[in-house]
Amino acid sequence: DTEVTQTPKHLVMGMTNKKSLKCEQHMGHRAMYWYKQKAKKPPELMFVYSYEKLSINESVPSRFSPECPNSSLLNLHLHALQPEDSALYLCASSQGRGDSNEKLFFGSGTQLSVL
Amino acid sequence: AQSVTQLDSHVSVSEGTPVLLRCNYSSSYSPSLFWYVQHPNKGLQLLLKYTSAATLVKGINGFEAEFKKSETSFHLTKPSAHMSDAAEYFCVVGRWSGGSYIPTFGRGTSLIVHP
Repeated sequence: DTEVTQTPKHLVMGMTNKKSLKCEQHMGHRAMYWYKQKAKKPPELMFVYSYEKLSINESVPSRFSPECPNSSLLNLHLHALQPEDSALYLCASSQGRGDSNEKLFFGSGTQLSVL
Repeated sequence: AQSVTQLDSHVSVSEGTPVLLRCNYSSSYSPSLFWYVQHPNKGLQLLLKYTSAATLVKGINGFEAEFKKSETSFHLTKPSAHMSDAAEYFCVVGRWSGGSYIPTFGRGTSLIVHP
């Protein structure tokens, strides 16, 4: 199994809603990532979890709250988002063991629209 | 600091003709370089990775890339374009920082394939 699975594929939410994005991998990877991608732009790193601990937060607003309940799951909790937060949210995972063979595997993303 | 520069925002080719997508890198030591492809509204798929074992790297779908240290380049090529190759291509350099693996993306090159 070399897949990273993200749900839902599409999400429309109002600015007062609370929703969550989910990501799952069963490759035994110990690093997991959240990226935000606007149309026609490269992905922007938001968060990195290493061995279920938050290791990198790229100055992301607190309305985005990540959670890593176990080594296979990664959530992104959303609250009070703004229309400019509309984007494709990508999850990725990698071995995270510090060797030269590191590479990222990406999910298909959640297309989020904030109204 | 490590970075990559994709020299073209768009590349347009006819089906059956060669493809060249250009990427230059900046790194103070042997870099970890990748090419990823993204089809519309999809996640990113790894095409190939430079591991320092060989300067010519073969990837999936007939793509290959050549690492040239003297030119600090890692250009992606394919002998004959197919309509299904139309997508966004990202050159990526990876580094370890504080125990986490951090990929840095180029701006992307949009490959357009004409029939």
